Amino acid sequence: DTEVTQTPKHLVMGMTNKKSLKCEQHMGHRAMYWYKQKAKKPPELMFVYSYEKLSINESVPSRFSPECPNSSLLNLHLHALQPEDSALYLCASSQLGTPYEQYFGPGTRLTVT
Amino acid sequence: GENVEQHPSTLSVQEGDSAVIKCTYSDSASNYFPWYKQELGKRPQLIIDIRSNVGEKKDQRIAVTLNKTAKHFSLHITETQPEDSAVYFCAASTSFGNEKLTFGTGTRLTIIP
Repeated sequence: DTEVTQTPKHLVMGMTNKKSLKCEQHMGHRAMYWYKQKAKKPPELMFVYSYEKLSINESVPSRFSPECPNSSLLNLHLHALQPEDSALYLCASSQLGTPYEQYFGPGTRLTVT
Repeated sequence: GENVEQHPSTLSVQEGDSAVIKCTYSDSASNYFPWYKQELGKRPQLIIDIRSNVGEKKDQRIAVTLNKTAKHFSLHITETQPEDSAVYFCAASTSFGNEKLTFGTGTRLTIIP
């Protein structure tokens, strides 16, 4: 299985809602990533987990809270988001030491109203 | 930190012609240079990468070149086909110890039939 899956595909939430994005991979990868991608822009790194521990936080606002419950799952908890947080949220995974070879999920299209 | 610049931002070529996309990077410690292709509405996918100890790498119609002294690397697509139309992102990373990939700003390639 060489696929990264993400749920939901689309999400519309109000600024007072709490929601979660989910990502799963079964390739045995021990590095997992969350990216935010705005239209016509490159993926922007948010968080990196290595061996289920947060190793990189790119100064992301606390309304985004990542969680890695086990080596196959990655969650992104959302709370009190702003309209400017509307974007495509991509999850990716790779072998440790090979961040250049990342496998991306299809993304969650998030709209904050 | 690493900074990757990419040119051009848009590129249109006649089907069958060649396309060239160029990138420069700033961190001399970077030693892996992947290229990702993102079709409209799809996830980014790795298409080829080159390592710092290699000057050129080919895979069918795609080739990448690297000039480590000048900190330049390029993607060459020959005999372009309509399915090559996509956004292409160059990127740079180091190996073990820093699970981070820095993307260029992207090139929207359009193949004109």
